[in-house]
Amino acid sequence: QVQLVESGGGEVQPGGSLRLSCAASGLTFRNYGMHWVRQAPDKGLEWVAIIWYDGSEKYYADSVRGRFTISKDNSKKTLYLEMNSLSAEDTAIYYCATARGNSWSRFYMDVWGKGTTVTVSS
Amino acid sequence: QSVLTQPPSVSGAPGQRVTISCTGSSSNIGAGYDVHWYQHLPGTAPKLLIYGNTNRPSGVPDRFSGSKSGSSASLAITGLQAEDEADYYCQSCDSSLRVVFGGGTKLTVL
Repeated sequence: QVQLVESGGGEVQPGGSLRLSCAASGLTFRNYGMHWVRQAPDKGLEWVAIIWYDGSEKYYADSVRGRFTISKDNSKKTLYLEMNSLSAEDTAIYYCATARGNSWSRFYMDVWGKGTTVTVSS
Repeated sequence: QSVLTQPPSVSGAPGQRVTISCTGSSSNIGAGYDVHWYQHLPGTAPKLLIYGNTNRPSGVPDRFSGSKSGSSASLAITGLQAEDEADYYCQSCDSSLRVVFGGGTKLTVL
């Protein structure tokens, strides 16, 4: 069955950087767009970024644009999130999810990983 | 402040019916963007419950149903069970080319 496994989380100081990975199995990864979604402590889900199946288009939430970069390596079946200039507001569980729907009016998340925790603290 | 508005909490007794509302605006739900629903238990992966306003993925019980009208949508759960106790989120997209979530609703089974 389809499985997504996030890794790379940890504790980092404010201003620091971290790279998250999401390893996919059980699906033809090159055919799927992917999302990153996060949940801060005691908060709801917040969308972070989406990447097209071929990496040709990327879109970001206002809160991370210019600091985070989403990418995917179809040969390794892996999604990435490069995070720079981290602040306490970025502390959250980060989930990857498959993107379904063929247009902005239809996009949703189908399969989700269990998440990896990022803590930004001095 | 979430773009989509949900009640913070709802509750119901086993066997009862509950609904969770999701209110958007003319730049998202009201503009024709689909609404989708997720169930989330803390510490686990969120689970897709409803996609495309009314469709259930395979494996989701027909006790769960979705509807949409104008700038709002609703998730209905009938025959409430203890295992339904979780957080529920609506999700859509908007004309600013972003994905938007509701703030989440905590369902308590009494």
